[in-house]
Amino acid sequence: KAGVTQTPRYLIKTRGQQVTLSCSPISGHRSVSWYQQTPGQGLQFLFEYFSETQRNKGNFPGRFSGRQFSNSRSEMNVSTLELGDSALYLCASSLGVGSMNTEAFFGQGTRLTVV
Amino acid sequence: GEDVEQSLFLSVREGDSSVINCTYTDSSSTYLYWYKQEPGAGLQLLTYIFSNMDMKQDQRLTVLLNKKDKHLSLRIADTQTGDSAIYFCAEKTRDSSYKLIFGSGTRLLVRP
Repeated sequence: KAGVTQTPRYLIKTRGQQVTLSCSPISGHRSVSWYQQTPGQGLQFLFEYFSETQRNKGNFPGRFSGRQFSNSRSEMNVSTLELGDSALYLCASSLGVGSMNTEAFFGQGTRLTVV
Repeated sequence: GEDVEQSLFLSVREGDSSVINCTYTDSSSTYLYWYKQEPGAGLQLLTYIFSNMDMKQDQRLTVLLNKKDKHLSLRIADTQTGDSAIYFCAEKTRDSSYKLIFGSGTRLLVRP
């Protein structure tokens, strides 16, 4: 059974540009959550998508957005990149509903560097 | 409010037991988790405990939960050099969404 796949693994972008990151969840999982990991702020929740709908959102500016497709794959987009957006972006996959919705599995992450 | 705290660093000798501690503030949390992160990698789910349990054992891992003090611990028996990593505890909020609140992580160093 394939795990959570995030692409690309590494990205270098220039300030002011925009970027799109992709996450394919485990087969059968309908929830995808996104997290930002930085040395200063640690792991912070960005948002969660379930059945193509955003179900929860963290405290990030509107430059951070996401979406989920009918096959549960998710993308997140960051517009007008700032140096402080440099981070490891992790996505997590979970069932999304039911009594078995107890575990979230993470991908390897996308390392974004803004220069 | 939501807040999870961990000590930053732990060093143990190979073969000894390691105990990593965590405190949380949200008494309505449903599940509490331990994740492991190795350099350059994502998060690996190690184990989790439901909030109405006191203890869970899984091979070399033992999780203890003290709900009164909102204290969670992870004990690793017979610690190996391959256990050197950063360990994160996390709590899941009670609502239907899957949102985890993470601690800052404890770096475990296992000395040969």
